[in-house]
This record gives sequence, structure tokens and C-alpha cells, in this order.
Amino acid sequence: GESVGLHLPTLSVQEGDNSIINCAYSNSASDYFIWYKQESGKGPQFIIDIRSNMDKRQGQRVTVLLNKTVKHLSLQIAATQPGDSAVYFCAENRGFQKLVFGTGTRLLVSP
Amino acid sequence: NAGVTQTPKFQVLKTGQSMTLQCAQDMNHEYMSWYRQDPGMGLRLIHYSVGAGITDQGEVPNGYNVSRSTTEDFPLRLLSAAPSQTSVYFCASSYSGAGDTQYFGPGTRLTVL
Repeated sequence: GESVGLHLPTLSVQEGDNSIINCAYSNSASDYFIWYKQESGKGPQFIIDIRSNMDKRQGQRVTVLLNKTVKHLSLQIAATQPGDSAVYFCAENRGFQKLVFGTGTRLLVSP
Repeated sequence: NAGVTQTPKFQVLKTGQSMTLQCAQDMNHEYMSWYRQDPGMGLRLIHYSVGAGITDQGEVPNGYNVSRSTTEDFPLRLLSAAPSQTSVYFCASSYSGAGDTQYFGPGTRLTVL
């Protein structure tokens, strides 16, 4: 079936660096994506979302880019902090809030 | 608001036992969902509800039942637990299905021996 997946299981960065987490999807009809952050022992927490009528969306220290041509989206975190250490998931919303999650990238931030 | 609450936090069952995972939300959300998360994996949708009295199957519904008698509560029932149901279960809710943010509960860690 159609899938959503992440490129790297783990990303290690230094505090203060910018982080880029990537995600690919296979269904060209997909039109709504969400990034979640999951800290250890907790449920996923909404970070930012983007619809297919946009290429870029910015939040506080985060930017999501969507490239529909190559079916790829990325999450950029500026000035990464230790509190950003978590697993990050991209998810596709297939309507009625049916989310299809990728496998996740663990972000490790070292001081 | 307490948000989305789940009980219990941890549970150990023997194969064949039944139990109900509880989920409640106090945000007057219409949409509620249950997901499971296996080690190293993303979440997979089990069942969802678009309002009281209405439920539907997600990606992995086998072995689970749900009902939605009130807006606030959305329990998940395991009829006859199997080791393959060992997982962390998350409940989520949102105001509507049209792109509103889903809020997730803290999860229930279930082990089936």
C-alpha cells in the first residue's frame, strides 16, 4: 500500500546547529502532512502541518518544506536545543483524522 | 482542562484474558481515535469515531472492539489478548476531521504474556 517513511532512524547534532529531518511519501494524491514530536514515555505532540497547496510553512523555530514533485517533505529546526531531543514523525492525514505515520527519526542533541 | 486521559498507564495480561483500555477527553471533541505503537515503529490506527454512536475500523482493527456511547469516552476492548497485542496504545481526539490538531493521551503500555 501507499506509505510514508523517514530517511534516517537517528540524527545527531550539536546544540545550536540547525536540524533537518526528512520524510518521503509514495501517494501523489496525498495533500495534508503533519509533523509530531514524541518524547520518551509520552504521546505524540503536534509541531506543524502543511497542505499540498503550500511549499513552505513556518512556526516558532521550525519550518516544514513540501516538494510535491519528488514527494518529499522536511522539518527544519533552527538553533536546536537539548529540549528538542525526541523522536520526530511525519504523518499523512488521510481524512477523518486517519493518520498514517512514518517510522520516526530520533534526534539527539549534544551540548 | 485535563485534555486526553488514559487508564491504566501499565497493564500485564495473560494470553486469552480480556480487558478494556479507557480513554476520556474533556475538550468536547467529536473525533477520537485509537493507535498502537510497536517498538521502533510509527503509530498505526486501530479504530476511530467521528461522533457518539459512530465508529469505524482503521488499519489494524482485528482483535479489538470499540464503542462510543458519549462524546467524552472512547474505550478500547481486547476480547482475548494475544502476545501480538503487546504494544503501547495511544488515544487521540480532535474537534473535527477537517485538519484540526489531534491531541494524544499519555499512552497505556500493555504486555501480554
